[in-house]
Amino acid sequence: AQKITQTQPGMFVQEKEAVTLDCTYDTSDPSYGLFWYKQPSSGEMIFLIYQGSYDQQNATEGRYSLNFQKARKSANLVISASQLGDSAMYFCAMREGGDYKLSFGAGTTVTVRA
Amino acid sequence: DGGITQSPKYLFRKEGQNVTLSCEQNLNHDAMYWYRQDPGQGLRLIYYSQIVNDFQKGDIAEGYSVSREKKESFPLTVTSAQKNPTAFYLCASSMLQSYSNQPQHFGDGTRLSIL
Repeated sequence: AQKITQTQPGMFVQEKEAVTLDCTYDTSDPSYGLFWYKQPSSGEMIFLIYQGSYDQQNATEGRYSLNFQKARKSANLVISASQLGDSAMYFCAMREGGDYKLSFGAGTTVTVRA
Repeated sequence: DGGITQSPKYLFRKEGQNVTLSCEQNLNHDAMYWYRQDPGQGLRLIYYSQIVNDFQKGDIAEGYSVSREKKESFPLTVTSAQKNPTAFYLCASSMLQSYSNQPQHFGDGTRLSIL
């Protein structure tokens, strides 16, 4: 079974608007961590934001925030005030328990329109 | 600057040939990883290593081999047994801290194609 599901293959967003990228996960471990990465067309993976399963508050990093709904097992990424440079593929990933490995979703391609 | 260096950026393989992708890090990380990415898809784990001279298979290890003789280096060999090697290969490293919020850091990748 898929551990990370990203159901939106591609999205378009107007510059300066906000966009929400969906991520649902599946784990029976009470301790886990969720990561979001950005992959521009050049290929490098850029870490954006982290949410731990025991964190009381939703994570925020600049224009990135996480809408973490533990009971629904979702960790949606919100990008506010979109910029042309935000056009990229975005991946949600999970680390379970004390493991070091990450499981990645299939990704969502975001295209920001001027 | 600390980081992960992957080389070469582009690599071409002939039929029946083994090729080796280089990955070097100067972040003093104990753990290193190799991922494969096919067009429009997510990353799949090939091999990972948590300590020198030790490594474990990931989800798609068949047709690949690795070594970890130094902490800084984790080369990946794509053998002739890998029948569909065309992909983008990413190397990553991380600290060894359980339940940590520290992310994996990635190199810029190597694009491998068959001639």
